[in-house]
Amino acid sequence: QVQLVESGGGVVQPGRSLRLSCAASEFSFRAYPMHWVRQAPGKGLEWVAVDSFDGNYIHYADSVKARFTISRDNSRNTLYLQMDGLRPEDTAVYYCVREGGADCRFDYWGQGTPVTVSS
Amino acid sequence: QSVLTQPPSVSAAAGQKVTISCSGSSSNIGQRHVSWYQQLPGTVPKLLIYENNKRPSGIPDRFSGSKSGTSATLGITGLQTGDEADYYCGTWDGSLSAGVFGGGTKLTVL
Repeated sequence: QVQLVESGGGVVQPGRSLRLSCAASEFSFRAYPMHWVRQAPGKGLEWVAVDSFDGNYIHYADSVKARFTISRDNSRNTLYLQMDGLRPEDTAVYYCVREGGADCRFDYWGQGTPVTVSS
Repeated sequence: QSVLTQPPSVSAAAGQKVTISCSGSSSNIGQRHVSWYQQLPGTVPKLLIYENNKRPSGIPDRFSGSKSGTSATLGITGLQTGDEADYYCGTWDGSLSAGVFGGGTKLTVL
C-alpha cells in the first residue's frame, strides 16, 4: 500500500524557516512527479509546487515563488519543501501528493503536516 | 480567487441526483484532463474522478464526470448522507505552469 508520511511542521514566527519532509514507500518513488498541496484552516486546496522525476521540472505557485524550494532525494525516497520567509498566510496543513497520471491526477495523499506562522 | 470556478454549495435530497460544475479556460480545462476530489469532514482529499470521466478502483458508479470545452461536471446519483463533503476539481494550467484547483463545493444532502 502506497504510503506518504509528512513531517517537519510546527509553529514558527513570521520570517523564519521550516523544512518539511515526506517519506514515500511501497512504490517506485523515482518514477513519479511529486507535489505539495496546502489547505489553510477552513479554506480550499491550494497547489504549492511540483518536482518531476529527476528534479529538472520544477514549478511553484506565485504565492510561494522565491520563498519555497521543493526538492527530492530519490535514493532516500523522500520529498522536501524548504520554506523560508514564512508569512502568516502560509499557515495551513501541507500535503505531500503523488501525481499518478497526467494533468495533476493526485492519486495518493499523505496525512498532512500542520504549519502555523504566528508571532 | 481560484483559477477554476465552482459553486460554493449545492444541496439535494437523499436518493436524488446532483451536479457540480467547474469552469476554467483554454489554458487549463480546455486542453487538459480534469480530476475531482472528495474531502469528507476532517479527512484527507480522495481522488474521485480522473481524466475527466474515469473512476479509480473502489469508487462507486454513482459518481461520474464529464467535460465539454472549458467546463467540467461532476455528477452524483442516489445521494447518501455519507456523500456530504467538499468536492474539488483540479488540473494543470499550461499558461501558469501551475496546478490549479476550484474553490470547492460543499454538498449538503437534505
